Amino acid sequence: NAGVMQNPRHLVRRRGQEARLRCSPMKGHSHVYWYRQLPEEGLKFMVYLQKENIIDESGMPKERFSAEFPKEGPSILRIQQVVRGDSAAYFCASSLTIDRPYEQYFGPGTRLTVT
Amino acid sequence: SQQGEEDPQALSIQEGENATMNCSYKTSINNLQWYRQNSGRGLVHLILIRSNEREKHSGRLRVTLDTSKKSSSLLITASRAADTASYFCAPSGYSTLTFGKGTMLLVSP
Repeated sequence: NAGVMQNPRHLVRRRGQEARLRCSPMKGHSHVYWYRQLPEEGLKFMVYLQKENIIDESGMPKERFSAEFPKEGPSILRIQQVVRGDSAAYFCASSLTIDRPYEQYFGPGTRLTVT
Repeated sequence: SQQGEEDPQALSIQEGENATMNCSYKTSINNLQWYRQNSGRGLVHLILIRSNEREKHSGRLRVTLDTSKKSSSLLITASRAADTASYFCAPSGYSTLTFGKGTMLLVSP
């Protein structure tokens, strides 16, 4: 049973370009969470999605960031017109159930570098 | 969601010693989870303790929870070099998880 998969593992973008980060949850999991981790910091929650629905996007910056989790295919975190401050590790997690308490299973992360 | 605060920020011990790290939080919770992050990797779930539990064990891990003091502790007994990692607590109410800056544990051979 494969774990949470993220790709690419490393992504380099120039300022102003778009970054697309992909996350495939664990088999059978329909809840996906995105986090951002800056150097020397903890993980900051960004968005929680279920299939075709955004449940909680309270941690998402209001501009340039969007996320989706289509009926088919991986979840996508999209950052438009990237700036140097977007450089960070972006982690995706998935969970099986909406019943609480729940464990989250994390992917290996995508390291975004904006030059 | 609320954020836990881990203490100490960093801890350095010798193999075989015990490591204790603490977590404090501010509002009532449903459960509290501990995660580990090895350098450059995603978080790995270690243990979950519910608000009506006081202590829980899993292998070399022992977690305590004191809801009156809004604090939890994670004890790793007989530490190994492979335990070197950052450890995060995640107090959970009825919303998503939020992580603090963690405790960085270094176990030297």
